[in-house]
Amino acid sequence: DGGITQSPKYLFRKEGQNVTLSCEQNLNHDAMYWYRQDPGQGLRLIYYSQIVNDFQKGDIAEGYSVSREKKESFPLTVTSAQKNPTAFYLCASSIGGGGSPYNEQFFGPGTRLTVL
Amino acid sequence: QKEVEQNSGPLSVPEGAIASLNCTYSDRVSQSFFWYRQYSGKSPELIMSIYSNGDKEDGRFTAQLNKASQYVSLLIRDSQPSDSATYLCAVSLRTGGFKTIFGAGTRLFVKA
Repeated sequence: DGGITQSPKYLFRKEGQNVTLSCEQNLNHDAMYWYRQDPGQGLRLIYYSQIVNDFQKGDIAEGYSVSREKKESFPLTVTSAQKNPTAFYLCASSIGGGGSPYNEQFFGPGTRLTVL
Repeated sequence: QKEVEQNSGPLSVPEGAIASLNCTYSDRVSQSFFWYRQYSGKSPELIMSIYSNGDKEDGRFTAQLNKASQYVSLLIRDSQPSDSATYLCAVSLRTGGFKTIFGAGTRLFVKA
């Protein structure tokens, strides 16, 4: 089955730790995205990547890092510099990215990160 | 002014009624418009996309777009309790490389 997987489903982080959230897709999509969702708020873009080995900062990139070494994979690292990381993290992908108006985004199941 | 605005709700409708969800956006040259459904604790699921003015129907769902009024809506006919969820409006903007902006969502509650 084609789709987007994220792991782990739940993640607990101690103060000062870096943690990495996994996102994999087998849809052959070029573009991938990371969003953060806080209760009662819309999705906020952290990073996005339109092609392998290239990625761009979104609206709230501070304290986060990403890599895009393979088309299928777009891991997100939440660093100790992110002061309020407790949130629901969503990975998405789309066929096209910048320059394409038809960038329907499909989401993975999400990772819920809690800081202890 | 927020780029994409939705009434947070909750919007409560009886089973079998039509639920009407509204969304306004600020960028006049927005290209693509999407409606997502998000159940509590789950990720958003794409239910409708619309790119041109007018209505687009898919089963019980109808999306309506009016670019002149910068307004997009979602109608759910014959609402079912299983439609109870938060509905997110998303708009793909021409600026910023076709960045997609999400509204905060409208909570819909369908009473059995």
